[in-house]
This record gives sequence, structure tokens and C-alpha cells, in this order.
Amino acid sequence: ETGVTQTPRHLVMGMTNKKSLKCEQHLGHNAMYWYKQSAKKPLELMFVYNFKEQTENNSVPSRFSPECPNSSHLFLHLHTLQPEDSALYLCASSQEGQEGSPLHFGNGTRLTVT
Amino acid sequence: GQNIDQPTEMTATEGAIVQINCTYQTSGFNGLFWYQQHAGEAPTFLSYNVLDGLEEKGRFSSFLSRSKGYSYLLLKELQMKDSASYLCAVKDSNYQLIWGAGTKLIIKP
Repeated sequence: ETGVTQTPRHLVMGMTNKKSLKCEQHLGHNAMYWYKQSAKKPLELMFVYNFKEQTENNSVPSRFSPECPNSSHLFLHLHTLQPEDSALYLCASSQEGQEGSPLHFGNGTRLTVT
Repeated sequence: GQNIDQPTEMTATEGAIVQINCTYQTSGFNGLFWYQQHAGEAPTFLSYNVLDGLEEKGRFSSFLSRSKGYSYLLLKELQMKDSASYLCAVKDSNYQLIWGAGTKLIIKP
């Protein structure tokens, strides 16, 4: 496989469930990201990992917990979510330090919290 | 605060030309990106501008004026497959990406 792959594509969970989103990049990039995309709103950066070290945590509630075991894999662990957390969650990777290096996105996980 | 403004929605006709504008107010500037996102799919990279002027890539061109805090994406010879959302994003002085809410482009036959 090439690019950035995310699983699952769709997820429905209750507020008391625990689930995890998975992302894998096959591009040899050194940075990975989690973004939240809600309708008609700008992309919201949640977490950034550079060389496996978390460098950004934009005041994300603790019910979202990231994990980056190596430079190719990224997880987002979810627990006790709220209905307002329903959104599209996008994973991305890039080569930081290279001018103009764009983000490469996965197809996202459409999350619905009931 | 930092802000990116784009029109929410635009409509154009197949075969025509459309210009999608993006204005930004950010703390510093380290490049501007345009992405295309089809419904239910990942955003994909279209163009990058860091110096003033026009960058052309086939049917798509992107323009930047840093003094005016302004960019546009120009799409020529529109095709139905160009129906998508177009996202403008700017890297600020800390190299953080600031995103616009996107412009939904509807192409009519």
C-alpha cells in the first residue's frame, strides 16, 4: 500500500465505549498529525508527532489520547466521548524541515457518538 | 487572532473558469497551500506559494500577493469532477498551519 491509510472508515460508538483509530503512513515521513474536521469549520489540529515525539497538543480533552509507537503508526484512543465529538477524524503525515512539504491525508474516520 | 477567509460556496458551469479567493491575517507568513477535498475523501495537495506571483499547474493556477494577504486559485476548463471543496491554509511565523473553512465548488452542466 502507498500513502496514508486509516481504519476504520466509519465508527459508531456510545458515550461509554472505548475505541481506537489507527493510522499508518508508507511515505517515510517524519511527522504525523491528527485533525478533526467538522462541517463548515476549519480543520482543527489535535496532535502532532515529530520523530515520534509529541510536539503539539492543542488543548484537546483528555478523552482523546494519542499514541505513536513508531514513525509510521499513529493511534487515537477514544473513551467516554460526547455527542459533539462526532466528526471526521483525519490523519496526515509530512516531511518536516522541507520547505513547502505538504500534508498527505488519509481518508479519515467518520465518527458518530450516540 | 489569526484568520483565513474564503467564500463558503461557489457555482460555475462546466467548461468555464472560476476563481476562488482566500484572504488571510496571520502572525507572519511562511507559505500558502491549496488543497482539494471531494466529499467523503481525503484532502489532496494542489499547490504551494511562498513568493508573490502565479504558479501554474495544468488547468489549475494559484496566485499570491503577500503585501495584500491574498491568494486565489484559478480553475480553467472546468470539469464535473472539479466539484469539491477547496481549502486554503497558511503557515504562520511558528510554521503552524492556519486553515480556512473551505469553499464548496459546485459545477453545473
